[in-house]
Amino acid sequence: EPEVTQTPSHQVTQMGQEVILRCVPISNHLYFYWYRQILGQKVEFLVSFYNNEISEKSEIFDDQFSVERPDGSNFTLKIRSTKLEDSAMYFCASSEAADLNTGELFFGEGSRLTVL
Amino acid sequence: AQKITQTQPGMFVQEKEAVTLDCTYDTSDPSYGLFWYKQPSSGEMIFLIYQGSYDQQNATEGRYSLNFQKARKSANLVISASQLGDSAMYFCAMRDMSGNQFYFGTGTSLTVIP
Repeated sequence: EPEVTQTPSHQVTQMGQEVILRCVPISNHLYFYWYRQILGQKVEFLVSFYNNEISEKSEIFDDQFSVERPDGSNFTLKIRSTKLEDSAMYFCASSEAADLNTGELFFGEGSRLTVL
Repeated sequence: AQKITQTQPGMFVQEKEAVTLDCTYDTSDPSYGLFWYKQPSSGEMIFLIYQGSYDQQNATEGRYSLNFQKARKSANLVISASQLGDSAMYFCAMRDMSGNQFYFGTGTSLTVIP
């Protein structure tokens, strides 16, 4: 069964360091998303990506964050200078075209980021 | 304004009993999709069930069913014959017409008691 894969599963970094979280969405999907979940809290939308550009982003997704689809299969989230409050589980997700009748969101298993 | 509201932070249910997890939503879009996801303690997000706003029938998937009341803007998840493995966080989510974003509720923690 096709699945969204994320690497690394867990990353520990020092405050101020750059982090890149990688995702391989399901191959025929067109919509890609990053969400984050601070421990024990709600799932928060960061950004959606379609047709090689950002389609929507939240207030959380400030200039420290960027996304890229460098090679047609990977979908990366970069945090340029990590802060303590960036510690969270980051979920990548993908979805087929925007038809709401088939638009289930498939999640990866998450990348846990710990900023020290 | 909150798009998705889950008013039950925690629920308990006896094994083999049914339980209803509440979800209300807010949208002015004529077309939208409603989803339920399960998040066990291991952290992954598992899709459970989907309901389209134009679907006439309530969605069912095995022991999961969605009690969709469009006029009341509610999409409650019903789990029948609860099992110990059902203990997890459950999130209600909505996708609007733009498709650009899924809105999640704050989740309900379900504990199944043997």
